[in-house]
Amino acid sequence: AQKVTQAQTEISVVEKEDVTLDCVYETRDTTYYLFWYKQPPSGELVFLIRRNSFDEQNEISGRYSWNFQKSTSSFNFTITASQVVDSAVYFCALSPGAERGVTFGTGTKLQVIP
Amino acid sequence: GAGVSQSPSNKVTEKGKDVELRCDPISGHTALYWYRQSLGQGLEFLIYFQGNSAPDKSGLPSDRFSAERTGGSVSTLTIQRTQQEDSAVYLCASSLIFREQYFGPGTRLTVT
Repeated sequence: AQKVTQAQTEISVVEKEDVTLDCVYETRDTTYYLFWYKQPPSGELVFLIRRNSFDEQNEISGRYSWNFQKSTSSFNFTITASQVVDSAVYFCALSPGAERGVTFGTGTKLQVIP
Repeated sequence: GAGVSQSPSNKVTEKGKDVELRCDPISGHTALYWYRQSLGQGLEFLIYFQGNSAPDKSGLPSDRFSAERTGGSVSTLTIQRTQQEDSAVYLCASSLIFREQYFGPGTRLTVT
């Protein structure tokens, strides 16, 4: 069985603060893929990043960065200098390297206050 | 290019009626997924297609739910004898295998 836990239900930060969204996963597969998606108030889910289990390099894309640590089964997401437009629900997801569906976490609602 | 489209965008139905929800994936995407999202909740996986076959149906909540995919493209999710607890937004996504999913805008189903 696989599981994705996003323990933070809601986070509020003031604009320009940094914020980290936590994601912890469980899987018995040795090959798997991890994702982050953003769901703004408009409702449509937007892909942010994909990482495979063999690549533990951290990644930075503009104000976004991701820290993948296999040893702790975590794939955390940091937004630097947050902006109001970052306000959304963020989902972490896990896909096994086999013909099975994708498991999403319950999401973290981020509110950035101006 | 065109993204994932879903129809109808909204559906109101009476309890006990059957409904069909349609998904048109991105052309060339072999994987197709159906999810359900209740108000303020996360995404509940329903079913996954690879081509026309469904290797993972583990998320379908009851035998009232079924789905099919034809020609490796369009998929239909059917809910028979709808119940009020079926009210939710039904999301479809497509992808290349093991790649990121692209989501449609969803169908909001309301069962009265």
